[in-house]
Amino acid sequence: AQSVTQLGSHVSVSEGALVLLRCNYSSSVPPYLFWYVQYPNQGLQLLLKYTTGATLVKGINGFEAEFKKSETSFHLTKPSAHMSDAAEYFCAVSGGSTLGRLYFGRGTQLTVWP
Amino acid sequence: GAVVSQHPSWVICKSGTSVKIECRSLDFQATTMFWYRQFPKQSLMLMATSNEGSKATYEQGVEKDKFLINHASLTLSTLTVTSAHPEDSSFYICSARSDRDEQYFGPGTRLTVT
Repeated sequence: AQSVTQLGSHVSVSEGALVLLRCNYSSSVPPYLFWYVQYPNQGLQLLLKYTTGATLVKGINGFEAEFKKSETSFHLTKPSAHMSDAAEYFCAVSGGSTLGRLYFGRGTQLTVWP
Repeated sequence: GAVVSQHPSWVICKSGTSVKIECRSLDFQATTMFWYRQFPKQSLMLMATSNEGSKATYEQGVEKDKFLINHASLTLSTLTVTSAHPEDSSFYICSARSDRDEQYFGPGTRLTVT
């Protein structure tokens, strides 16, 4: 079975500051890991994903995440926050496939202060 | 990139009536579509997996007679909420799986039952 824990339901940073959103997963098989962003009243947009290979994954809008198997983590980072990054972020895991069902974390609301 | 649309984007209906939500893959064929439900400030919960030409697979606790799913073509899946009640008010999101091993999410439909 797969599950995701996102530490911190709310994260606030100043514009230009480092963004760090935490995600830990549990999976009985090699996981595929995803980060999605959701703006108010909209669907989900894929930021990045890890399947196999390089553990540091770069995504859109300057975000990146690193798969750390020993820590069962897939934290999302961005060196410098922008006002437009304010949104809800979801970490998700699937059981070794991009085709199967996704298990989502509870989400982290990112607020960016000017 | 692949686009998934949902219609309507929002709907208000009276208690006891039925509402149909459409999910379309606009530029690709999707043999599998997923239906999620999202309560305010919460994560996405998978309701059912819809396979073209066959019956949907419902998650535990989801009433299949209340949430009717039809996947009649490779580009269209519908979710019908029958005899809606205020507790069915939620944000419903679909995703479609392409043959390039990606899931694409629709923009969501906000249902309010009065």
